[in-house]
Amino acid sequence: EIVMIQSPLSLPVTPGEPASISCRSSQSLLHRNKYNYVDWYLQKPGQPPHLLIYLGSNRASGVPDRFSASGSGTDFTLQISRVEAEDVGVYYCMQALQTPRTFGQGTKVEI
Amino acid sequence: QVQLQESGPGLVKPSETLSLTCTVSGGTITGYHWSWIRQTPAKGLEWIGYIYYTGSTDYNPSLKSRVTISLDASKSQFSLRLSSVTAADTAVYYCARDVDYSSDSWGPGTLVTVSS
Repeated sequence: EIVMIQSPLSLPVTPGEPASISCRSSQSLLHRNKYNYVDWYLQKPGQPPHLLIYLGSNRASGVPDRFSASGSGTDFTLQISRVEAEDVGVYYCMQALQTPRTFGQGTKVEI
Repeated sequence: QVQLQESGPGLVKPSETLSLTCTVSGGTITGYHWSWIRQTPAKGLEWIGYIYYTGSTDYNPSLKSRVTISLDASKSQFSLRLSSVTAADTAVYYCARDVDYSSDSWGPGTLVTVSS
């Protein structure tokens, strides 16, 4: 199965400042259709994860444009241009190229 | 806006079968994959498997011998059965809808504890 490794595991942030989370996969997630099959999810305390980014760089419906994602192959990055207080929680990357789908360990973002 | 809700016993005895149901409202079951995912402090998020609305399934090999996912479109429900449970199966279980390989809607989750 594909292993997803995130860094850092803990990220202190300052409101108004940018933040960045890295995710590395053990195999390339680039499909022959040119899409990278990696998603990003945010889990706020006491809630299920919710989808932020799909297919590598596409924001899900309702996701603020301060969230962006990039990368290809095995290296991916989620960026928050200006952190807001509501962005705290645990961020996960997940690969959907193969089953079993696998998640990163999570990055806890706190102010 | 589609909504999902897990239901089932919160306590299961070791060696017995865990059974959960996910009820889908506000949307159709047709055309989507429907997933079960669980979360533990030790292992984080673990994909259990999914079922397509046609009934085809795919399971995590680590659980495949013990897992069955089924679907009842007439009731807008899909279900998870996990047999021969142990304490390691104690987790929060989520159901989710998949759109283009991404889980875009999740239930709130239900804690299942395996204990005698």
